[in-house]
Order: sequence, then structure tokens, then C-alpha cells
Amino acid sequence: QSALTQPASVSGSPGQSITISCTGTTTDVGRHNSVSWYQQHPREAPKLMIFDVTERPSGVSNRFSGSKSGNTASLTISGLQAEDEADYYCCSFAGGSSDDYVFGTGTKVTVL
Amino acid sequence: QVQLVHSGAEVKMPGASVRVSCKASGYTFKAHFLHWVRQAPGQGLEWMGWVNPNSGATLFAQKFQGRVTMTRDTSINTAYMELSGLRSDDTAVYYCARESSGYRNFDLWGRGTLVSVSS
Repeated sequence: QSALTQPASVSGSPGQSITISCTGTTTDVGRHNSVSWYQQHPREAPKLMIFDVTERPSGVSNRFSGSKSGNTASLTISGLQAEDEADYYCCSFAGGSSDDYVFGTGTKVTVL
Repeated sequence: QVQLVHSGAEVKMPGASVRVSCKASGYTFKAHFLHWVRQAPGQGLEWMGWVNPNSGATLFAQKFQGRVTMTRDTSINTAYMELSGLRSDDTAVYYCARESSGYRNFDLWGRGTLVSVSS
């Protein structure tokens, strides 16, 4: 099972919007609507930001939104803030193939 | 308080085994699958497998099959991950993560256990 493909880095100025892509295959992202996104600050555990492609857990800012088209999912952060600077990972359920879950390669978001 | 608490950091020789524990509190232990995810220094997240705390059933990523064991002790709400045949590239932070009930995502994470493999 290969990792989902994400850009290594994305940057934006405060107040701008950025989008992180997450490309998989027909056995993971393309087959299941169980894509989630995690934010990880340095030396901290990951935090769930989006689940089931578009859903936000309670307490997560509505500046974070998710979408999917075909084999590619996306996370958009609008109104970028300094606290959004972190690593972001997508994850897809892939049950029925070799592994149940597969993570993305990770994207470093920098707020300029 | 709903949380997952890991055991302390470990230093192991190549070829040895390590067992990491993850103690759950603040929720019904048997109601949620527990997953193990690792992260090598400066690298991304890697899914290793899950244990069903209710039945003890497990499923592992192909990469770790034959080398990993996941168990649980329901009397103390604790899950364990044991990795054998350690190599230097097994050096990583090992996280346990709770699977959300009814959804395929990880809604609660422990702070992780650093396992260092070095001769």
C-alpha cells in the first residue's frame, strides 16, 4: 500500500486561503468517503481536523473545509492564521485492499 | 478526562523486542478500536494496525505482519503493541489512536512513546 501523495509544502500570507491536495487511487480515496485530515504541531500528537471528507469535529474552526473529486481529496484553510502553521496529513480508509488505512506523505504549511 | 497515556521512552538494541502500552481513561474502553501509528524522526505518519479491545481481534499492515503483536488488558483499560526484530529504522514515536465510534477516523491520540533502536 503506497502512501497518499501530498505536496511537501504550501505557504500563504495571513488572511489568505490555501489548499492541500491528497492523491490516492481507486482502492482508497477514490473508493471510500472516509478521508480524514490531521494537524500536527511540532512535538505534539496529531489532531483530527476533518473526517468523512467534509465533516468537522466539534471545536474545529469553520476555516477548515474538505472536499473530494475522484482519487484526490483536498483540505482548504481559509483566513490563514499564524496558529495554522503546522504539518497536515490526510488519511484514507482502504479496507478491502492490502491495508485498512493509509496516510498521506504530509504537507508543511507555512504562514508567511 | 478522556485521554490515552503512553508508557515511557525505550532504548533497545537491534534485534530486540519492545512493548509499548497505552492506557485509556474517561471513556468505555471496549467501545472503540485502538490503532497504532508510528512516526520516524522528521518523517510522516505510518499506520501499523488495530486491536479490537472488546474481542481482542487484530489486523496489521502488511509491512509489519509477522513482527508485530497487539493485545489488550480490559481489566486495566490498556492496549499493548509489541514489535520484534527491531532495526535502526524502527526508531520512531509510536502513537496509539482511538477510532471514532461509527466513523473511520482517529479522534483521540496519545502523546506517543519514543522507541530508539541503536547499538
